[in-house]
Amino acid sequence: EAAVTQSPRNKVTVTGGNVTLSCRQTNSHNYMYWYRQDTGHGLRLIHYSYGAGNLQIGDVPDGYKATRTTQEDFFLLLELASPSQTSLYFCASSRDNSGNTLYFGEGSRLIVV
Amino acid sequence: GDSVTQTEGPVTLSEGTSLTVNCSYETKQYPTLFWYVQYPGEGPQLLFKVPKANEKGSSRGFEATYNKEATSFHLQKASVQESDSAVYYCALTKGGSALGRLHFGAGTQLIVIP
Repeated sequence: EAAVTQSPRNKVTVTGGNVTLSCRQTNSHNYMYWYRQDTGHGLRLIHYSYGAGNLQIGDVPDGYKATRTTQEDFFLLLELASPSQTSLYFCASSRDNSGNTLYFGEGSRLIVV
Repeated sequence: GDSVTQTEGPVTLSEGTSLTVNCSYETKQYPTLFWYVQYPGEGPQLLFKVPKANEKGSSRGFEATYNKEATSFHLQKASVQESDSAVYYCALTKGGSALGRLHFGAGTQLIVIP
């Protein structure tokens, strides 16, 4: 079965702090995604990638960087965290881009105080 | 641009009653349509998807028909159970040049009372 693992599962940081969220998938999938989930907005795409070294901008990229180091690993970086980035973050992977199913991790809850 | 609009929640039902969650979409191309479900404390997971217009998808007693003319993909279940309590997301993807990115609706929380 598809497996996407996120860490940390919970994180509290201060405004201006530096945060890295990690995601590893063991599905041999080419595509990986970072979403944020907020009440009233559903799931919004931050960044995504179709392979190691590739990065594509999503719909809400401001304040976020991402890096895909290997096929398995995709990182989301918040270099100057702000309270507006308090959210539940999900990583997902899919085999390709032709309407394939996304497999999500369990989420990383970030609180910026 | 692409968008998905669905029933605003929460929707509260008693066990055994029927469910309809409305989903309407806007896109200039022919999308694949999805319903995802998210149980408490978990990530979203696929309920089912329908790639072609006028076809029906179904899983776990839920079903939806891809209506291209009405640009709708309403989720229905004849008799809900307490275990169906979750958040339901309607989504679309176009693939190809859009690189398969999913556009999600805002989600509809379903609460089923035993």
